[in-house]
Amino acid sequence: GQQLNQSPQSMFIQEGEDVSMNCTSSSIFNTWLWYKQDPGEGPVLLIALYKAGELTSNGRLTAQFGITRKDSFLNISASIPSDVGIYFCAGQYSTNAGKSTFGDGTTLTVKP
Amino acid sequence: GAGVSQSPRYKVAKRGQDVALRCDPISGHVSLFWYQQALGQGPEFLTYFQNEAQLDKSGLPSDRFFAERPEGSVSTLKIQRTQQEDSAVYLCASSFWDNGYTFGSGTRLTVV
Repeated sequence: GQQLNQSPQSMFIQEGEDVSMNCTSSSIFNTWLWYKQDPGEGPVLLIALYKAGELTSNGRLTAQFGITRKDSFLNISASIPSDVGIYFCAGQYSTNAGKSTFGDGTTLTVKP
Repeated sequence: GAGVSQSPRYKVAKRGQDVALRCDPISGHVSLFWYQQALGQGPEFLTYFQNEAQLDKSGLPSDRFFAERPEGSVSTLKIQRTQQEDSAVYLCASSFWDNGYTFGSGTRLTVV
């Protein structure tokens, strides 16, 4: 079963607002990953984090690897309609591309 | 090819039928993963190949599930005697050593 708790489960926001979502685990991970999944498609990697405390940005997205190695958050600034989708966090025990444990996702809806 | 290709995109099987799902990874990608994604949940790991070697099959839910990658490129996930609880999207992902995964669009399996 899943070991990752992702929250919130869903968000409804206005275009232009900032968004924050997070992921907590009962286990330590060595790598945290954030993906976005559109309907009918596979998840697409947004940000990868490899070191505790690391803060990484990718355009309007910023993610952090928690100090305890048991949590991570993702922020999206100035949301736009194409940000709509399901965001998944995933943890890996190894730093090379290995088995990932996924959360159950945060569904984001952006109202124009 | 440019991305990970999965076929068929949709499969309807009668309970008890055998099915075979195909994955064509990105050319040159060493690692290949299969995940199962139930409706409203995150992907769950099934099995992992490095070239033709199946290094981890700990996620396969029963001995009705079998995966192979005989020449280290194309992989097939076979499910024997399908049951309703096997209904899900089956995602394939590939990576080149320690880079992040690229997922395919998945095969949606419905068992009736």
